[in-house]
Amino acid sequence: AQSVTQLGSHVSVSEGALVLLRCNYSSSVPPYLFWYVQYPNQGLQLLLKYTSAATLVKGINGFEAEFKKSETSFHLTKPSAHMSDAAEYFCAVSLGSGTYKYIFGTGTRLKVLA
Amino acid sequence: DAGITQSPRHKVTETGTPVTLRCHQTENHRYMYWYRQDPGHGLRLIHYSYGVKDTDKGEVSDGYSVSRSKTEDFLLTLESATSSQTSVYFCAIGRTGGFGTEAFFGQGTRLTVV
Repeated sequence: AQSVTQLGSHVSVSEGALVLLRCNYSSSVPPYLFWYVQYPNQGLQLLLKYTSAATLVKGINGFEAEFKKSETSFHLTKPSAHMSDAAEYFCAVSLGSGTYKYIFGTGTRLKVLA
Repeated sequence: DAGITQSPRHKVTETGTPVTLRCHQTENHRYMYWYRQDPGHGLRLIHYSYGVKDTDKGEVSDGYSVSRSKTEDFLLTLESATSSQTSVYFCAIGRTGGFGTEAFFGQGTRLTVV
């Protein structure tokens, strides 16, 4: 069965510092992996997704994630944090190709300090 | 955002009353989903639909029913609301976006059961 674990429910970084949000997955099949961002009182917006085409995936707003099969990880990074990056971030795994049935992690709230 | 409208956006209801949440899409997508979001749990799938009158259960379907009599509308009903169903409810559709096919989420409905 698929599952997702996000380490750290809250992460704080200084503006301009590296952002690293951790996600580990468990999947019995080649996974489709996603990172979503949620700003206060809004829905979820897709940042990026992995579908096996490339292990380093680039997303919007300068974010990227690297798929590491040996570590079953899909960590989200951004070289330099901006105040506008403050939000909650969710990692998710799809239950199969062509479906939007996702298993979500519990989320990581990112705080950016001035 | 364009494409999905959830109504109402906020609702307070009493324990034991039935409640219906509506998700309306304007893009004629086949796949529609209801998720609930709770602190510490991320998003969890309640029910989903592959087309008109074609629905199935997700991982947290107890106490919920759905109906889809038209492509554009997917209704979620809490048959007898309980305090444990206090949550934020998100509708999602499968659509083509900047990353190819992706789950696109509505703005959410905040439901409080008192």
